[in-house]
Amino acid sequence: NAGVTQTPKFQVLKTGQSMTLQCAQDMNHEYMSWYRQDPGMGLRLIHYSVGAGITDQGEVPNGYNVSRSTTEDFPLRLLSAAPSQTSVYFCASSGLAVSTDTQYFGPGTRLTVL
Amino acid sequence: GDSVTQMEGPVTLSEEAFLTINCTYTATGYPSLFWYVQYPGEGLQLLLKATKADDKGSNKGFEATYRKETTSFHLEKGSVQVSDSAVYFCALSSYGKLTFGQGTILTVHP
Repeated sequence: NAGVTQTPKFQVLKTGQSMTLQCAQDMNHEYMSWYRQDPGMGLRLIHYSVGAGITDQGEVPNGYNVSRSTTEDFPLRLLSAAPSQTSVYFCASSGLAVSTDTQYFGPGTRLTVL
Repeated sequence: GDSVTQMEGPVTLSEEAFLTINCTYTATGYPSLFWYVQYPGEGLQLLLKATKADDKGSNKGFEATYRKETTSFHLEKGSVQVSDSAVYFCALSSYGKLTFGQGTILTVHP
């Protein structure tokens, strides 16, 4: 049971490049989400999904795109990277019921945009 | 909208000292409340959780009680260890979405 996995662990991009951060979970969770973590600001929600084919915006969605074609996978796409997107990105998943709403986090992707 | 406010850090303690990290929240409805811990270079791990008023979450000697009347969920531990050094996040879950506080850095010295 791998839980939530993220790839890559580290990435350096140049301004304007695009890339996809991968996230997968093997717990059959309906809910998946992406956060970014910046110093002194806690974690902020970028996008989330409550099931395959359903996505919605969080607090800071601009510059990011998501899709959810399967229950297991929830990739995050950076369309045209900017230095302001330098951050640590975490993917998380959970069930939707109160008894299963604990979110499990992946190990994170550290992204630097030059 | 929902919000979580944590006490400002960083917090520095000696081993075996008593720990309190304050957390208050604003939310509509009846959110679940969480404390997550993040060790250096790692992702977040659930420390404890409470789902309704007066519930007490506990784990690894840490405790927090869901206080609806004061909208608080303060984290406490009676005797901290060096291995407790980490960043602690208070969070609430409302309709599946987590809202985090800004995090409190705890450093425990021998």
